[in-house]
Amino acid sequence: DAGVIQSPRHEVTEMGQEVTLRCKPISGHDYLFWYRQTMMRGLELLIYFNNNVPIDDSGMPEDRFSAKMPNASFSTLKIQPSEPRDSAVYFCASSLLGQGRYEQYFGPGTRLTVT
Amino acid sequence: AQSVTQLGSHVSVSEGALVLLRCNYSSSVPPYLFWYVQYPNQGLQLLLKYTSAATLVKGINGFEAEFKKSETSFHLTKPSAHMSDAAEYFCAVGKGNQFYFGTGTSLTVIP
Repeated sequence: DAGVIQSPRHEVTEMGQEVTLRCKPISGHDYLFWYRQTMMRGLELLIYFNNNVPIDDSGMPEDRFSAKMPNASFSTLKIQPSEPRDSAVYFCASSLLGQGRYEQYFGPGTRLTVT
Repeated sequence: AQSVTQLGSHVSVSEGALVLLRCNYSSSVPPYLFWYVQYPNQGLQLLLKYTSAATLVKGINGFEAEFKKSETSFHLTKPSAHMSDAAEYFCAVGKGNQFYFGTGTSLTVIP
């Protein structure tokens, strides 16, 4: 089975532009997580979904950030407008938490650079 | 509340030496415990997990971790470090519908 797939792997954009990051979780997994990783703040949980429903978005830094999961096989994280301080690596992860399987499986990440 | 503490944000060992990365959790009831490894420019990869079976858990690449309830610890060890072990290591705790990562320990292996 394919792992978690993220696209694009690298994104360079100018301040003020809209950025959309994409994630395809492992088939059958019922939880999906979005994380941000920076040198300064480490690994931060932004939001997670259970069966496509957002459960906790308290980690989303600002209203400029939004996430959706229209179906079980696809999720997006959008930043509009983007700012230089949003530069980071964004990870998507999925798990079978609903079946008591806590381990999360991570995608390769999207490295975002906002100039 | 659940939390996990990793002691030492940076650890350096010589090639061939013992690797010991420390992790303590705070919980009155033993949670599920995990170690992840992150190689440069890659995502996090599950190294091993403790799910209330054997207290000594063996993972990939020769790593193992021992759950000690009395010490609320889940330290990661490897008898002999290899250059390829240089990476960031994260301890994580899962209980209920919550999952918490530690702040990570960067392992440097000196030739």
